[in-house]
Amino acid sequence: QSVLTQPPSVSAAPGQKVTISCSGSSSNIGNNYVSWYRQLPGTAPKLLIYDNYERPSGIPDRLSGSKSGTSATLGITGLQTGDEADYYCGTWDSSLSGWVFGGGTKLTVL
Amino acid sequence: EVQLVESGGGLVQPGGSLRLSCAASGFTFSAYSMNWVRQAPGKGLEWVSYISRTSSTIYYADSVKGRFTISRDNAKNSLYLQMNSLRAEDTAVYYCARRSSSTSTGGYFDYWGQGTLVTVSS
Repeated sequence: QSVLTQPPSVSAAPGQKVTISCSGSSSNIGNNYVSWYRQLPGTAPKLLIYDNYERPSGIPDRLSGSKSGTSATLGITGLQTGDEADYYCGTWDSSLSGWVFGGGTKLTVL
Repeated sequence: EVQLVESGGGLVQPGGSLRLSCAASGFTFSAYSMNWVRQAPGKGLEWVSYISRTSSTIYYADSVKGRFTISRDNAKNSLYLQMNSLRAEDTAVYYCARRSSSTSTGGYFDYWGQGTLVTVSS
């Protein structure tokens, strides 16, 4: 059981938009920055979004992040087959004194 | 280019020990805090442990506290994880990950190694 809650799966057609939600509490998302990671099968996670909405260099602006209260959202527009992957949200938890992740969301581009 | 290369994984019996290493290159290792994150087969990410730049601050997940020890050698640009009293539920790919942050707490993992598989089984 993950501290942060994500939908197990989402799907959309190529070219469409999808959002992935991440729900937490005041001890984690509510008072700390959220980051998002993409993991392709058999590979290490890759940072997509940090500090709620910032993109590292090389990450296209088709990807966006937002946060409101104790929830965060990853948005991907102009879906491509290459976007098929598992996506994880993560943040610091002040009560646990550690990082917590969501259970992961599998994105399928139909 | 930032590189993190883990090693030391393998098959170990329940109750056994293993020491993981992570060799860092392409950045000033001593300027960054580091972490271990694991992923059980078919499961999600689980943060394991954190160590600050000078080793003055260390955190562990409750699931490994008292059994795992994180350490680093800045002169050797290396991160370590000593794992004792291993259990079947410790079976996972273990990643080392560099932490970056715009604040004094929290932060994010901007670079990850390729991972090393630890299998605990008799």
